[in-house]
Amino acid sequence: SYVLTQPPSVSVAPGKTARITCGGNNIGSKSVHWYQQKPGQAPVLVIYYDSDRPSGIPERFSGSNSGNTATLTISRVEAGDEADYYCQVWDSSSEVVFGGGTKLTVL
Amino acid sequence: EVQLVESGGGLVKPGGSLRLSCAASGFTFSNAWMSWVRQAPGKGLEWVGRIKSKTDGGTTDYAAPVKGRFTISRDDSKNTLYLQMNSLKTEDTAVYYCTTVGATFFDYWGQGTLVTVSS
Repeated sequence: SYVLTQPPSVSVAPGKTARITCGGNNIGSKSVHWYQQKPGQAPVLVIYYDSDRPSGIPERFSGSNSGNTATLTISRVEAGDEADYYCQVWDSSSEVVFGGGTKLTVL
Repeated sequence: EVQLVESGGGLVKPGGSLRLSCAASGFTFSNAWMSWVRQAPGKGLEWVGRIKSKTDGGTTDYAAPVKGRFTISRDDSKNTLYLQMNSLKTEDTAVYYCTTVGATFFDYWGQGTLVTVSS
């Protein structure tokens, strides 16, 4: 089955740019979606179809996808961005795959 | 405003059964594809399964760990999604989220209901 690999943790200072990667075999040929989950809360969709933002999601959140890596980029990071982030694809075999999640720490 | 409210979680013994419900509002439920996603304590997200709208066939798909044990169904007259869980195992312990399916992503999520499988 398809596997998505994320770094367990990423740390960034306030005001800087955070990049969270999601690796998968030829992931650039798939649509990648990203979710933010704060402690004790349900996940929230922050990026869909690689780079589209749902309404209400700040422009600071962006995404890209090419080759074997998809990336979620958060610009001008704020303390409120501290959360777990998950990437997700819907595999051609009709299976949904989530990455293992990345804990973003704002220093 | 889209609202998804799960209920029915609780403590159940291994081998037991439980049925979860998800009451939906704020959108046309009958047209929506719906899904269940779970999260074991301290772990990541895991897809459980999906049900299409009746107009799209109403068919279901399941993740391998739950196939044959879990059944997703819907009652469009009640705007409610269900997850029937049988032959529960300790590894099924998780918060279960009800979600709407936007093609290949999950755009709205409920707050979840906790299922604990323990003797």
